[in-house]
Amino acid sequence: EVRLVESGGGLVQPGRSLRLSCIASGFTIGDSAMSWVRQAPGKGLEWVGFIRGKAYGGTTEYAASVKGRFTISRDDSKSIAYLQVNSLKTEDTAVYYCTRWYDAFDIWGQGTMVTVSS
Amino acid sequence: SYDLTQPLSVSVALGLTARITCGGNNIRSKNVHWYQQKPGQAPVSVIYRDSKRPSGIPERFSGSNSGNTATLTISRAQAGDEADYYCQVWDSSTVVFGGGTKLTVL
Repeated sequence: EVRLVESGGGLVQPGRSLRLSCIASGFTIGDSAMSWVRQAPGKGLEWVGFIRGKAYGGTTEYAASVKGRFTISRDDSKSIAYLQVNSLKTEDTAVYYCTRWYDAFDIWGQGTMVTVSS
Repeated sequence: SYDLTQPLSVSVALGLTARITCGGNNIRSKNVHWYQQKPGQAPVSVIYRDSKRPSGIPERFSGSNSGNTATLTISRAQAGDEADYYCQVWDSSTVVFGGGTKLTVL
């Protein structure tokens, strides 16, 4: 079964950091473009960034709103994609979804909630 | 940056046809993808590349893209279709989502 499971969310103070994980099963994560998408409470979907598959160099792209603070990486041996979030702000409070791109965002995890509050 | 405009809400009577629009400058030049999200759940792809249906999505869901508007059409609307719907495109190497449309089935 093809599946994504996120973890690592929680309550964190402004200015602190967090690393979110996304464990993939049922497919080879290194061959895929993996994205992170977030959704603030009661709001719409916001793309955060993605990492290309190995065949495309494994390079990354980010939304302007998070560039310089967020970093996406991948450990192919563990089938895990990561989202490192630094210098967190209250407006980063959201459910963070991991998703695979294959003609569309065809597989989504259940999401992990990040709450930034003092 | 590229913007996608969706109506905040659309209502449809049970059994009739709902149409949700997604506006963007010359959007016909892009592939448009649509996602359905029910409360408390992750989004699900319902249309990709303008008009293709993923496996398991009913034929009642269809899509089109022309000019400056892409449209998601849901025929014979059911109570279970009530959800938020988002359109999405790629703009260069970034992803753009529309603001989302809440579909209410009356």
